[in-house]
Formats: sequence, structure tokens, C-alpha cells
Amino acid sequence: DGGITQSPKYLFRKEGQNVTLSCEQNLNHDAMYWYRQDPGQGLRLIYYSQIVNDFQKGDIAEGYSVSREKKESFPLTVTSAQKNPTAFYLCASSWRGTPNYGYTFGSGTRLTVV
Amino acid sequence: AQTVTQSQPEMSVQEAETVTLSCTYDTSESDYYLFWYKQPPSRQMILVIRQEAYKQQNATENRFSVNFQKAAKSFSLKISDSQLGDAAMYFCAYRSPRAQKLVFGQGTRLTINP
Repeated sequence: DGGITQSPKYLFRKEGQNVTLSCEQNLNHDAMYWYRQDPGQGLRLIYYSQIVNDFQKGDIAEGYSVSREKKESFPLTVTSAQKNPTAFYLCASSWRGTPNYGYTFGSGTRLTVV
Repeated sequence: AQTVTQSQPEMSVQEAETVTLSCTYDTSESDYYLFWYKQPPSRQMILVIRQEAYKQQNATENRFSVNFQKAAKSFSLKISDSQLGDAAMYFCAYRSPRAQKLVFGQGTRLTINP
């Protein structure tokens, strides 16, 4: 079945460490997105990519980095520069040129700083 | 920039009754797309219903329907015959045809009382 796979489901990070969250899709979608979810704040866009080897900053990109070397993959690195990384992270994908279809989401990664 | 506001952080309803969740948005565009997503305790985001702004007819999906008031920039979700499985966070979202990203509201937590 087609879908989006995020891994790991739970991730723990020590202070000063970089960690990478994985996002893989087999829907042949062009665009991929990373959102952060905090209680009471909804979903906020971190980065998005419309095509391979190209990506744009979202509303809260500071302290994060991404790459898009393959159409299927869009990993997110939470760097030590992100001062408050504890949150739930959601990856999503969509077709380009069909905004009426919305997104397909992964099941998320819960990141906790210890 | 477009913004989406959900003014009800929490709502509750008796099983089998009807509940309406509110959403307003701010935009200068005339053409756009609106969505309601459901996030159950599993945290998997599920598309509930979508509405194209150029369509005057309100979208309906089984027990879910919307009241789309374009002039008022309002997009409420009505859930009829509420079921225990409807308990979740509900997010309203806006998408411009000229942008790939979805803009989300803060969410409404819906509780179903048996």
C-alpha cells in the first residue's frame, strides 16, 4: 500500500546533539513537507520541497536542516541550534499542481530532549 | 499572509448528537481551498472533508458537512450523529492555489460523551 513512513516513532536527544528524522513516501508525490506540532499551536511549517534538490524555509526553519536527494525521501535534521526541540514532528506529501487534494501525512515522530 | 483561526480550543457533545466546530480565515485571494483534518489519539492526520472556494455548494462526506460562508470567511464543520470514534483534535486548514503549503488553525479538541 502507498503511504508515508516516518521513523523512529520516538526519539530522545541529548543536549548539544544533532538528530535526524526520517520520512519516506511511495506515493510518487512531488512535494514533501515537515511540520512541528506543539500543544495549543497547531501545526507550524518547518521546511518544504517541491522537487528534488530544492527546498524552501517555512515559518520556523531556524535550528533545522533538510535535504531532498531523492523524490521519495525528505529527512529532517534537528541541530543543536534548535533551543526547544521537544515536540511532535509530522511529515507530509502532496502532488504539485493539485492543491485541492491536500496532504497525505505520516504517523509522526515524538522527539524529546533528555 | 493567510491565517486560520479556530476559536474553540475544546468542545464536547453527547453521543448521537450534532456538534459544529468553527473556523475563520483571513485572505485576500478569491480562489483557494479549505480542509478539515482529524487527529485521533494515534496522532495520524486524516483528511475529513475539503471545499473549493469557487464552489457555492457546501461539501458533504457522510456524517460530516461544512457551512462555507465565503463573504464572512467562515468554514465550520458539522458532525451529525456523533460517535465515540469521532473524538479527536480537529484542524482547519487553508491552501492557496499559488502556494504548496497548508496553513493550519490551532485545533479544536472534541470529546464525545457516552
